[in-house]
Amino acid sequence: DIQMTQSPSSLSASVGDRVTITCRASQSISNYLNWYQQKSGKAPKLLIYSASSLQSGVPSRFSGSASGTDFTLTISSLQPEDFAIYYCQQSYNTPYTFGQGTKLEIK
Amino acid sequence: QVQLVQSGAEVKKPGASVKVPCKASGYTFTTYAIHWVRQAPGQSLEWMGWINPGTGDTKYSQKLQGRVTITRDTSARTAYMEMTSLRSEDTAVYYCARGSTPVLWFGEFLTAPLDYWGQGTLVTVSS
Repeated sequence: DIQMTQSPSSLSASVGDRVTITCRASQSISNYLNWYQQKSGKAPKLLIYSASSLQSGVPSRFSGSASGTDFTLTISSLQPEDFAIYYCQQSYNTPYTFGQGTKLEIK
Repeated sequence: QVQLVQSGAEVKKPGASVKVPCKASGYTFTTYAIHWVRQAPGQSLEWMGWINPGTGDTKYSQKLQGRVTITRDTSARTAYMEMTSLRSEDTAVYYCARGSTPVLWFGEFLTAPLDYWGQGTLVTVSS
């Protein structure tokens, strides 16, 4: 199975901050990397697909990038509604594995 | 609008089975794969398997193979996830989710992200 390792596991930040979350794949997954946001008690929501494509309806402050097996989710200016848990997921092959999550908290 | 609606919470005893429905609306049911993903309390997400509602073809996580079965009823626009021989470690919220690429785009649909999710069904396994 492909292992997805996210860092950091938790992050404290303030409204207006720029934050970056990283996800590393244990092998090449091309650009088949997706990012999801999950708020407490809710289903995950797709933010970014194919490493850097913004899902329809998602604010442009979210962006994604890739370099080899390293992938990055960036939020350019944190808003109050962005405090949540973020997961990366590879859809390169089955089983489609997720990272362990990054909890973004208010400082 | 696209919606996936799941049933309410279930409590099962160890060794029992559970079958969770996922009713789709707002799109052509047979056009997009349905995936199942579970999340144990306080844990990350675990992909379980998918079904092509048009053909009935399925693919499962090897870890769960033999205990999980995904089926569909096209007339009811509903996919089902059945898990047998339940254990306490199967306690989790079970989600259905739609693959974003049509199944006719063979190859591409296998790598599609999950764009719409059900609200989740909590399954508690306890004696």
